[in-house]
Amino acid sequence: GNSVTQMEGPVTLSEEAFLTINCTYTATGYPSLFWYVQYPGEGLQLLLKATKADDKGSNKGFEATYRKETTSFHLEKGSVQVSDSAVYFCALTNSGGSNYKLTFGKGTLLTVNP
Amino acid sequence: DAGITQSPRYKITETGRQVTLMCHQTWSHSYMFWYRQDLGHGLRLIYYSAAADITDKGEVPDGYVVSRSKTENFPLTLESATRSQTSVYFCASSRRERTDTQYFGPGTRLTVL
Repeated sequence: GNSVTQMEGPVTLSEEAFLTINCTYTATGYPSLFWYVQYPGEGLQLLLKATKADDKGSNKGFEATYRKETTSFHLEKGSVQVSDSAVYFCALTNSGGSNYKLTFGKGTLLTVNP
Repeated sequence: DAGITQSPRYKITETGRQVTLMCHQTWSHSYMFWYRQDLGHGLRLIYYSAAADITDKGEVPDGYVVSRSKTENFPLTLESATRSQTSVYFCASSRRERTDTQYFGPGTRLTVL
């Protein structure tokens, strides 16, 4: 079946540091890949997505590239801010059939200190 | 633009009681989902629905019941609550496309004593 593995947290960084959160996946065919973010006390919201190999998703300074050869979708940001403190989830949807369920990683807590 | 709402936001109940969590979306999305979020497990799918009157089990359906008589509503019922069902529950919806975003509600924090 499908699975997503993302790096264990928590991750603590100083403001303006470079961020990488690793995400690898196991899936058949060509899944769509997503990063969701959950700010304290809120529901999840889409951060970015990529729907085919070599696509790059980007939003709010975050980027991730769909690498089929390494089955990875690592999240990066060049300069984090305190407001980026949140839990980040990597996820995928099935590539076939009519089943659009999301499979999530366990989440990575990011804390950015001023 | 109300989006997707959940009620109640917080609920405390006792073991053995029936509890219903409500979810309502205003976009007429085809798909709706219920997840539970627990420390160390991330989000796990409980049930989902592809359209009104069509529901199917997810990863952890035991102890839960769903219905979807109208496109916009997707209630989740715990028929006899147990302590292991203490969790944060999220409802989500999406259109009928594999690449589409799922939109999440704000969550319901349920405590079973």
